[in-house]
Amino acid sequence: SQKIEQNSEALNIQEGKTATLTCNYTNYSPAYLQWYRQDPGRGPVFLLLIRENEKEKRKERLKVTFDTTLKQSLFHITASQPADSATYLCALDGGSSNTGKLIFGQGTTLQVKP
Amino acid sequence: DAGVIQSPRHEVTEMGQEVTLRCKPISGHNSLFWYRQTMMRGLELLIYFNNNVPIDDSGMPEDRFSAKMPNASFSTLKIQPSEPRDSAVYFCASSFGATVSQPQHFGDGTRLSIL
Repeated sequence: SQKIEQNSEALNIQEGKTATLTCNYTNYSPAYLQWYRQDPGRGPVFLLLIRENEKEKRKERLKVTFDTTLKQSLFHITASQPADSATYLCALDGGSSNTGKLIFGQGTTLQVKP
Repeated sequence: DAGVIQSPRHEVTEMGQEVTLRCKPISGHNSLFWYRQTMMRGLELLIYFNNNVPIDDSGMPEDRFSAKMPNASFSTLKIQPSEPRDSAVYFCASSFGATVSQPQHFGDGTRLSIL
């Protein structure tokens, strides 16, 4: 069955460093991958979308890569700040790019220490 | 612009009672999604609509759950009868377009506790 894995352990880094979060998937080949941020008590907020034919996407301090051979996406936050502390969720299409169905990973919690 | 609006924000009720969750999507969006989030299972899609029509309800756990979208600006998720295992945070999201090539915009959820 389709499976998405994100590091369940929290990632703790020092302010100013680059945070790298991993999203691995098995048993299918998504055409789209999205990353969301979720703060406690709030709904997820869309950050970036990357297509299978794109290797990399950037937005300000954020960068996402999509390696369809490794079945992995990496999410980078450069020059991290305490305000970046949150849970980050990756989401993949549910096996068909013609539907709206997204499957979410469990998320990785990032803690940036000043 | 107003985002996705959900009500109530919190609901505490006793087992066996009917629960109705409400959602107002972003104006102009034509797809609406209902999700459930728990620590054990994460964020799961329950059902989604496109142009007010249910497209995929394969995530609805059982017949006790039902969802409607009578018009483009309103949707409900109903649980009847409710059970303690239904306790979770329920999110509504909307998007412009019917495919995963579009970002989804989430409300802040309804935290549901069934005693």
